[in-house]
Amino acid sequence: EDKVVQSPLSLVVHEGDTVTLNCSYEVTNFRSLLWYKQEKKAPTFLFMLTSSGIEKKSGRLSSILDKKELFSILNITATQTGDSAVYLCAPEKGTSYDKVIFGPGTSLSVIP
Amino acid sequence: DADVTQTPRNRITKTGKRIMLECSQTKGHDRMYWYRQDPGLGLRLIYYSFDVKDINKGEISDGYSVSRQAQAKFSLSLESAIPNQTALYFCATSDGTSGRIIEQFFGPGTRLTVL
Repeated sequence: EDKVVQSPLSLVVHEGDTVTLNCSYEVTNFRSLLWYKQEKKAPTFLFMLTSSGIEKKSGRLSSILDKKELFSILNITATQTGDSAVYLCAPEKGTSYDKVIFGPGTSLSVIP
Repeated sequence: DADVTQTPRNRITKTGKRIMLECSQTKGHDRMYWYRQDPGLGLRLIYYSFDVKDINKGEISDGYSVSRQAQAKFSLSLESAIPNQTALYFCATSDGTSGRIIEQFFGPGTRLTVL
């Protein structure tokens, strides 16, 4: 059975702190891993990672995938209150019908 | 205007009622999805459709049905609503022309409460 575990489930930090969000997965026919950010409403896409060791960066956010150990991390440096959101990890299955399996999410609160 | 729209945005109904949630998209994507989100459980796939004639069950399809009326429209029905179907429902689309999911675009969500 496919499984996605994210940790921590919730986190409160102060502005300027650096955070690391974790995602481990057991997914058959794994193809890639996606990260989404969900603020008060719909999730929005952050990254897609397909190869191990490749670090994706977008401003203060970066992410790494380890396909051997089956995990990914999302780092946010110099956090801001606008980073407060739920961060969803979503491995993609490459079967005859591609689909993603969403983890439960990590709720991040950044306080001034 | 939003690329993926959902109606209604909020709905309160009673046990046993039939409910339809509608989704429309202007992105021109061929793939559409319905998810529900419950606290602590993330997004769970109800149904997905890769084109108008291709509809597939997701992991939690019991109690739900769908209709893909056109490439741009995908409706979710609860034939006889029950309280444990109270949740936030999202419609999403993706471009399948590359053969990969790559990225899904989500609608604003419908908050459904079944009393």
